[in-house]
Amino acid sequence: LAKTTQPISMDSYEGQEVNITCSHNNIATNDYITWYQQFPSQGPRFIIQGYKTKVTNEVASLFIPADRKSSTLSLPRVSLSDTAVYYCLVGGSGTYKYIFGTGTRLKVLA
Amino acid sequence: GAVVSQHPSRVICKSGTSVKIECRSLDFQATTMFWYRQFPKKSLMLMATSNEGSKATYEQGVEKDKFLINHASLTLSTLTVTSAHPEDSSFYICSARGVSYEQYFGPGTRLTVT
Repeated sequence: LAKTTQPISMDSYEGQEVNITCSHNNIATNDYITWYQQFPSQGPRFIIQGYKTKVTNEVASLFIPADRKSSTLSLPRVSLSDTAVYYCLVGGSGTYKYIFGTGTRLKVLA
Repeated sequence: GAVVSQHPSRVICKSGTSVKIECRSLDFQATTMFWYRQFPKKSLMLMATSNEGSKATYEQGVEKDKFLINHASLTLSTLTVTSAHPEDSSFYICSARGVSYEQYFGPGTRLTVT
């Protein structure tokens, strides 16, 4: 299973764009890249998923380079309510199980 | 997105008793469900993978006789913590996967063993 590496924490200010990069050097050919958001005492919430290039939805964008060894989650114009832990997960092939890394604790300041 | 529910949301039990936690996929059929536990300010730790109609696959270090998992239907999986002890107190989260690669997580169950 591919192991992921993310920054432990990040601080940002309201209204700024936040980019969180994740390394996954051992990603398998069939693996997808998925990002989740988690608030305290809640289950992770799906943000976005991609396989290659760029994916965009109403809340975020996901950039994946051609070698797929990393990915970047982009949150446009963050607000205080975006303060949470963000997890990058790689999987999809085989048993589809996810192994969670440390996640990135994002703190949005006023 | 798809909805996964858990019941109960929090439970307090006495040491030595058993507790059952339910995980349901409300609007899709889940061929595979996963159970995680999470300690305060820590990441989620995968406990086991369950496929409908078959035995669960446990991760290394997870006692299968203590954490009984049943996946009797495509919408329901249960985790039973048997003979609970205070060290079993934790936040338990399930997730469900349908036909796509996406996994949807439940809201979690806070277990406190006194």
